Amino acid sequence: DAKTTQPPSMDCAEGRAANLPCNHSTISGNEYVYWYRQIHSQGPQYIIHGLKNNETNEMASLIITEDRKSSTLILPHATLRDTAVYYCIVRVGGAGAQKLVFGQGTRLTINP
Amino acid sequence: DAGITQSPRHKVTETGTPVTLRCHQTENHRYMYWYRQDPGHGLRLIHYSYGVKDTDKGEVSDGYSVSRSKTEDFLLTLESATSSQTSVYFCAISESSGAEQYFGPGTRLTVT
Repeated sequence: DAKTTQPPSMDCAEGRAANLPCNHSTISGNEYVYWYRQIHSQGPQYIIHGLKNNETNEMASLIITEDRKSSTLILPHATLRDTAVYYCIVRVGGAGAQKLVFGQGTRLTINP
Repeated sequence: DAGITQSPRHKVTETGTPVTLRCHQTENHRYMYWYRQDPGHGLRLIHYSYGVKDTDKGEVSDGYSVSRSKTEDFLLTLESATSSQTSVYFCAISESSGAEQYFGPGTRLTVT
């Protein structure tokens, strides 16, 4: 699976959009971009994933650049409960894609 | 939230004793996983299962065994616990091997 690079920490004001970047310059054509987060002492939580098109769900939006070498997770109206470590993961889809490889992630702090 | 429970949630045990952790799901997902999380290492896959009685090793399987006799239950056993196995253990499930994984609340194990 391709390696990802994320900033170690970020701050965002409550109510504002939080934009979390991720670089994955060695991504292959069959690899998806996944985002998870982990709130302190809880299990990781799936947020969203995509291949090449932008994706949106009830939690967030995922913007993937045209060359697929980077992506941005957007939390449109951040709340204090969004304070967590956010992980960007690149992995193949389909058969044989068992494990998730979690890097160090970005520690996002939402400030009141 | 996905219907995943882990038991016990906390356990303290002595070196050399056997320990079994249980993961139970109500989602009827085919795949189940055991990860451990340690500071500085992120989450690492121990074992996973792709069906009843079908299991395979992950990247840190030494000292651990697993069993899956029913779709809903995945057991992780430490035959003879060591202090290096002190960790937080997370179970995860997914519908298929390449699908998103949903995590349980975790078990904090301390081996003294």
